[in-house]
Amino acid sequence: NAGVTQTPKFQVLKTGQSMTLQCAQDMNHEYMSWYRQDPGMGLRLIHYSVGAGITDQGEVPNGYNVSRSTTEDFPLRLLSAAPSQTSVYFCASSYYGSNTGELFFGEGSRLTVL
Amino acid sequence: GENVEQHPSTLSVQEGDSAVIKCTYSDSASNYFPWYKQELGKRPQLIIDIRSNVGEKKDQRIAVTLNKTAKHFSLHITETQPEDSAVYFCAAANTGNQFYFGTGTSLTVIP
Repeated sequence: NAGVTQTPKFQVLKTGQSMTLQCAQDMNHEYMSWYRQDPGMGLRLIHYSVGAGITDQGEVPNGYNVSRSTTEDFPLRLLSAAPSQTSVYFCASSYYGSNTGELFFGEGSRLTVL
Repeated sequence: GENVEQHPSTLSVQEGDSAVIKCTYSDSASNYFPWYKQELGKRPQLIIDIRSNVGEKKDQRIAVTLNKTAKHFSLHITETQPEDSAVYFCAAANTGNQFYFGTGTSLTVIP
């Protein structure tokens, strides 16, 4: 049971390049989400999904796209990277339902945009 | 949407002393309040949580209290140890799994 797996762990991009951060979970969680973590700003929700084929925006969705074709995978796409997207990104998953429960986080992906 | 405020942003205590971190939230629909610990370079990990139908919960040296009327909740760590040094985040969530995090408290335990 690997939990939540994110790749890559580190990435350097040039402004305007695109890339995809991968996230997979093996806990059969319906809910998956992406956060970005910046110094002094906590964890801010980018996009989330409550099941395959369903996605929605969080607090800071601009510049990012997501899709959820399977229960296990929830990739985050940066369409045209900007220096403001330099951050640490965390994927997180949990069960979804009337009894909200623990969010399980991946190890994080540190992205630098030059 | 929900707004979670967390104080203090930094906290230094002597080993063996207690540490208290406080959070407030704005949305009365929030009903789940977890606390996460994040060590340097690591992922956030749940240390304790409380639901809106409970006022207090304790797990060894860690306790959380919730005041629904005032919309605030607190983390209490007793008999602090150097390994408690980390960043702590509070969060508030509703039944839609919308988690809103505080901005974090960097706790340093001085040996």
